[in-house]
Amino acid sequence: AQTVTQSQPEMSVQEAETVTLSCTYDTSENNYYLFWYKQPPSRQMILVIRQEAYKQQNATENRFSVNFQKAAKSFSLKISDSQLGDTAMYFCAFMKRYSGGGADGLTFGKGTHLIIQP
Amino acid sequence: AAGVIQSPRHLIKEKRETATLKCYPIPRHDTVYWYQQGPGQDPQFLISFYEKMQSDKGSIPDRFSAQQFSDYHSELNMSSLELGDSALYFCASSSPPRGLAGHTQYFGPGTRLTVL
Repeated sequence: AQTVTQSQPEMSVQEAETVTLSCTYDTSENNYYLFWYKQPPSRQMILVIRQEAYKQQNATENRFSVNFQKAAKSFSLKISDSQLGDTAMYFCAFMKRYSGGGADGLTFGKGTHLIIQP
Repeated sequence: AAGVIQSPRHLIKEKRETATLKCYPIPRHDTVYWYQQGPGQDPQFLISFYEKMQSDKGSIPDRFSAQQFSDYHSELNMSSLELGDSALYFCASSSPPRGLAGHTQYFGPGTRLTVL
């Protein structure tokens, strides 16, 4: 079984600042995916970014980027030029990768509540 | 772009009643997942289906059952409801592992179940 740990229950930064959310995980699997999901007050779960473990290059999506350290089992999310709309709960998640069809469910961390101050 | 559809969006039931939640995946997605999220908690994986067969099973109570139909939609059946079943229930879907988005789970808006 795998575990996902987010050690920052809450963070608060000023608008336009850069913020980094931390995530560590524990697994014996070698082939897997890591994700960051965002859950705003509407409680919709929104995909932010995805990383495949076999890829050494860190994923980026506009203002969002990750620092994936496979050996250290670390997967942090950096948000640049933060905006008020980034205020949300952020969940780090792990999923075992299958080469064929079918897939396991996501294992989530407890989440980090990010507040962007005007 | 089409998203995952869940119905109903809100549901109020009494203890010991039954409830059925429905999920319509994104077109051409072949895998469906169900999650339960209690207040202030992270989502907990319940069960998944790939090509109408159960793929993985998480912390789904024996009182709950689910299936995926030939048109790929899925239903979560919940019986003998308890107060503790009050939660937000998400359905997610993913496409085959080909391409950039393979296996990525996209979530529906959720069904808010309240058990009185």
